[in-house]
Amino acid sequence: GAGVSQSPSNKVTEKGKDVELRCDPISGHTALYWYRQSLGQGLEFLIYFQGNSAPDKSGLPSDRFSAERTGGSVSTLTIQRTQQEDSAVYLCASSFGTGSTGANVLTFGAGSRLTVL
Amino acid sequence: RKEVEQDPGPFNVPEGATVAFNCTYSNSASQSFFWYRQDCRKEPKLLMSVYSSGNEDGRFTAQLNRASQYISLLIRDSKLSDSATYLCVVGLGNTPLVFGKGTRLSVIA
Repeated sequence: GAGVSQSPSNKVTEKGKDVELRCDPISGHTALYWYRQSLGQGLEFLIYFQGNSAPDKSGLPSDRFSAERTGGSVSTLTIQRTQQEDSAVYLCASSFGTGSTGANVLTFGAGSRLTVL
Repeated sequence: RKEVEQDPGPFNVPEGATVAFNCTYSNSASQSFFWYRQDCRKEPKLLMSVYSSGNEDGRFTAQLNRASQYISLLIRDSKLSDSATYLCVVGLGNTPLVFGKGTRLSVIA
């Protein structure tokens, strides 16, 4: 696609429910990131996929968070048993990855705003 | 020491002013450097890459000082539309890019 697409754009859920957030990166981009941004705060790295390599999960805040990337394209971030502190904007970004100057320039999606009541 | 550090601001400047932001990074092996801009309640967008020799794009100039491990962004002739948060970003090979927390700029009429 022309840009990074994320869905849903807004999600309100009750504490304890599971949520799935989807990211459709730019076609041909091998690198995909998930970040989280709470109100008024900086970007918090969650997870990074690069091609067929094992993902870098070092930023996931707890085992309630998981992500997968199917076929090297679409990614889903799953949060199980949501808590109020999970409320934030979840941003996905993609890039060409490696191989040339500018290959790791990120393009962000518009984000999924999650509110846990 | 945090990997990428920025003065959070806010920087409040009048229209037409020149303003400069600095950013320091801790990993001396870092290879790629960027400035992103984030408007309120929007996603970050690339403002400019930062090259070793320094680079300019219109009113914006970016500089890299590897010896001191800092990056700077200079904005000349500030416009109201420049009001945003400016994010410093540093990368190394295949490892995830690291974002600073951002510096908030408000340009006042």
